[in-house]
Amino acid sequence: EPEVTQTPSHQVTQMGQEVILRCVPISNHLYFYWYRQILGQKVEFLVSFYNNEISEKSEIFDDQFSVERPDGSNFTLKIRSTKLEDSAMYFCASIDRLGLASTDTQYFGPGTRLTVL
Amino acid sequence: AQKVTQAQTEISVVEKEDVTLDCVYETRDTTYYLFWYKQPPSGELVFLIRRNSFDEQNEISGRYSWNFQKSTSSFNFTITASQVVDSAVYFCALRTGGTSYGKLTFGQGTILTVHP
Repeated sequence: EPEVTQTPSHQVTQMGQEVILRCVPISNHLYFYWYRQILGQKVEFLVSFYNNEISEKSEIFDDQFSVERPDGSNFTLKIRSTKLEDSAMYFCASIDRLGLASTDTQYFGPGTRLTVL
Repeated sequence: AQKVTQAQTEISVVEKEDVTLDCVYETRDTTYYLFWYKQPPSGELVFLIRRNSFDEQNEISGRYSWNFQKSTSSFNFTITASQVVDSAVYFCALRTGGTSYGKLTFGQGTILTVHP
């Protein structure tokens, strides 16, 4: 069964450094998402991406964040200058289409745990 | 704006007990979708079920069952004869059918611990 993959599984970085989290969505999917989960808290939406542009973003997704789909398969989340409070699990998700179809469900990758020191 | 409330922060049961996890949602959209995800200790998010707002049929899948009631804006999840492997955090989530581009709004999660 196709699945969303994410690399690395764990990233440790120093405050102020740039990090890039990578995701490979399911191949025929059209909508892509990043979510964040601070340890012990709920999963929070960061950004959605469709047709090579951001379709929606949350208040968390400020100028320090950016997303890109550089080559038609990878979907990346970049944090330009990490802060301590960026430490969290970051989940990528994808969906083939939106609507009433039975496959209209977001499937999540295994997550990347980001630790900012 | 949409909101999902899981009032039970933690539930602890003994194996073979039945347990119900509550989920209450708020949305002004008439078309929406409700989901349950399981997050085991390994951390991944595992999809369990999706329900559309126009389909109020309850669903049973093995030991799992879901009770969707639009009148009370609830989408509760029951595990029958719980097992230790059911121990996880369970999240209820909502997606509206408008221009949300598929964004999921999650509840706070319920930590379920099943003791042997």
